[in-house]
Amino acid sequence: EAQVTQNPRYLITVTGKKLTVTCSQNMNHEYMSWYRQDPGLGLRQIYYSMNVEVTDKGDVPEGYKVSRKEKRNFPLILESPSPNQTSLYFCASSPTRVYTGELFFGEGSRLTVL
Amino acid sequence: QQPVQSPQAVILREGEDAVINCSSSKALYSVHWYRQKHGEAPVFLMILLKGGEQKGHEKISASFNEKKQQSSLYLTASQLSYSGTYFCGTESWGAGNMLTFGGGTRLMVKP
Repeated sequence: EAQVTQNPRYLITVTGKKLTVTCSQNMNHEYMSWYRQDPGLGLRQIYYSMNVEVTDKGDVPEGYKVSRKEKRNFPLILESPSPNQTSLYFCASSPTRVYTGELFFGEGSRLTVL
Repeated sequence: QQPVQSPQAVILREGEDAVINCSSSKALYSVHWYRQKHGEAPVFLMILLKGGEQKGHEKISASFNEKKQQSSLYLTASQLSYSGTYFCGTESWGAGNMLTFGGGTRLMVKP
């Protein structure tokens, strides 16, 4: 089944404790992206990647890191999480390089930073 | 800068129509529409490209006014399954491969 898989789905952590949210897609998509969703603010793009080893900042990259060492994986790293990073995070992928294609979203990862 | 959606929320009875608007301050290449049901991931509805091309999965119509940098999503004869939050996403000229979403419009369809 074609899908985008995120882990963990739910996480409660404390300020400063490094964490990684994994994202994997099995559709051989070139484009991958991370969004955070907060009430009233919609989906805001954190980082995106056009291909292996190519990543770019979105609208809200501060406090996050990403890497794209393999085509299928695009992990989101919070080196020192803070409470303002409490949010619902979505990973998404798309088949097209120059983006005019449908985004396929993962099921989301709800992160709480205490 | 995020596109602005209006209205923020709308309540309908089954069978009624609704229009959701999306407006940007930037020159747009494309407008995307997604629907998100409570507790689920957003699901693709439609893409409208500069020049008039549309790509979509469902029988939902939309318009894209390139000059005004606006798009509207038309939901006709609404069904209970239309309930959810609708997001427009915009792709701007010169903004690389970023898709910027609006704050969402919450739609509730009642029996």
